[in-house]
Amino acid sequence: GENVEQHPSTLSVQEGDSAVIKCTYSDSASNYFPWYKQELGKRPQLIIDIRSNVGEKKDQRIAVTLNKTAKHFSLHITETQPEDSAVYFCAASRPTGGFKTIFGAGTRLFVKA
Amino acid sequence: SAVISQKPSRDICQRGTSLTIQCQVDSQVTMMFWYRQQPGQSLTLIATANQGSEATYESGFVIDKFPISRPNLTFSTLTVSNMSPEDSSIYLCSVDRGQETQYFGPGTRLLVL
Repeated sequence: GENVEQHPSTLSVQEGDSAVIKCTYSDSASNYFPWYKQELGKRPQLIIDIRSNVGEKKDQRIAVTLNKTAKHFSLHITETQPEDSAVYFCAASRPTGGFKTIFGAGTRLFVKA
Repeated sequence: SAVISQKPSRDICQRGTSLTIQCQVDSQVTMMFWYRQQPGQSLTLIATANQGSEATYESGFVIDKFPISRPNLTFSTLTVSNMSPEDSSIYLCSVDRGQETQYFGPGTRLLVL
C-alpha cells in the first residue's frame, strides 16, 4: 500500500553544520512532496515543497531534491541554527479526484549551539 | 496561507462520552481534512471532509466513531464518539488553499480518562 519512509528518526548536528533528511515513497502516482516543520506544542508548518516536474528547489538555507525514478526525496538544511531544532515531516501527495497526502514518521532534529 | 482556528484547544473527557471539535477557516476552501497525531508520532489522515456529502474515511477509521460534518466551505466538525483512553491524541484539521498545499489548524489536544 501507500507508504512514506523517513530517515533518520533522530539527527543531532552542531550549529553551522548541514542536516540531511531522506524519504522514500511507494506510490508512483505521487506528484507533490511537501516538507513540514513542527516545533514542540505547535502545528506543522509548511517550509518547502517540490513537484514531480522539478528535480531540485531551494529557498535560502533549505533545499529539497527529488529523484522520481528512485522514488527518493531529501531535505537539506545548511548553516543550521538552534532555532532549526524541531520535528520535520516529509510527505507524498497523489491526486484522487481531490488529493491524498501520506506523511513520513518524522525526524527529530537537534542543533547544538 | 489561511487563518484556521479550532475549538476547543484542549479538553479532558471521561471514557464513553463524545467530543465535537470545530474547525473554522477565514475564507472558502475546496478541501478540508482531519488528522490524528498521537504523542510523539506522525500525522495520520482520518478523513476528507466533503462539502455537501459524506466524508471520505481512511482505512481504520469509520463514520460511527468519527462522524464529520461540513455544512459549508469554511467550517467542519469532527466528533470523537464513545471515547476510550486510546483516543487521547491531538486532532488537527487542515485545508487546501490550492495546488495540494495544506495548512494546519492549531490542533485540539484530547485526554480521555
